[in-house]
Amino acid sequence: KNEVEQSPQNLTAQEGEFITINCSYSVGISALHWLQQHPGGGIVSLFMLSSGKKKHGRLIATINIQEKHSSLHITASHPRDSAVYICAVSEVGSNFGNEKLTFGTGTRLTIIP
Amino acid sequence: KAGVTQTPRYLIKTRGQQVTLSCSPISGHRSVSWYQQTPGQGLQFLFEYFSETQRNKGNFPGRFSGRQFSNSRSEMNVSTLELGDSALYLCASSPQGPPYEQYFGPGTRLTVT
Repeated sequence: KNEVEQSPQNLTAQEGEFITINCSYSVGISALHWLQQHPGGGIVSLFMLSSGKKKHGRLIATINIQEKHSSLHITASHPRDSAVYICAVSEVGSNFGNEKLTFGTGTRLTIIP
Repeated sequence: KAGVTQTPRYLIKTRGQQVTLSCSPISGHRSVSWYQQTPGQGLQFLFEYFSETQRNKGNFPGRFSGRQFSNSRSEMNVSTLELGDSALYLCASSPQGPPYEQYFGPGTRLTVT
């Protein structure tokens, strides 16, 4: 079983729809990251969460530490949101500050005009 | 500030050869992490350097090595290349390293023939 599971693997939606991508993990973590990868490979960090909720523009990320679950929401989706969204966790290690990221397999999002 | 740069961007090598990839972090960032991305395995952590010291290493064979210089620039080396080493190699820099937010470079796409 992978330490980080994402769902769905693929998601196609119409422009304007509300999008939810889910991430579940099985290990103790110090932080969870949501990343965006466009065709061509470049990765952009969207959020880093250790508790609660964060919002940036039309993007909202939440995390429930007790349930080991996080969600990424996109409101009023737009074709430019089409990308692969990757969840990554930093597993609690013996020394905070030098941990490593473990990644989910990603969710490929396509927004149709 | 200039972003993370990686050179070269594309590389074609033959089985058995060795390759060196370079990563220049954002000015002031002391941590550089390296990741391998393949269609089959997704994103996987290779190693992380902080102030010229390797602090963490992923589960890769000894053919994969790296180093960091006093100016925080980092190189990774893969010796005795195998077909399975074909991948996108990404580096990411940050002031302190995981679990904190990381800034990714554009990647080097390595093809082994």
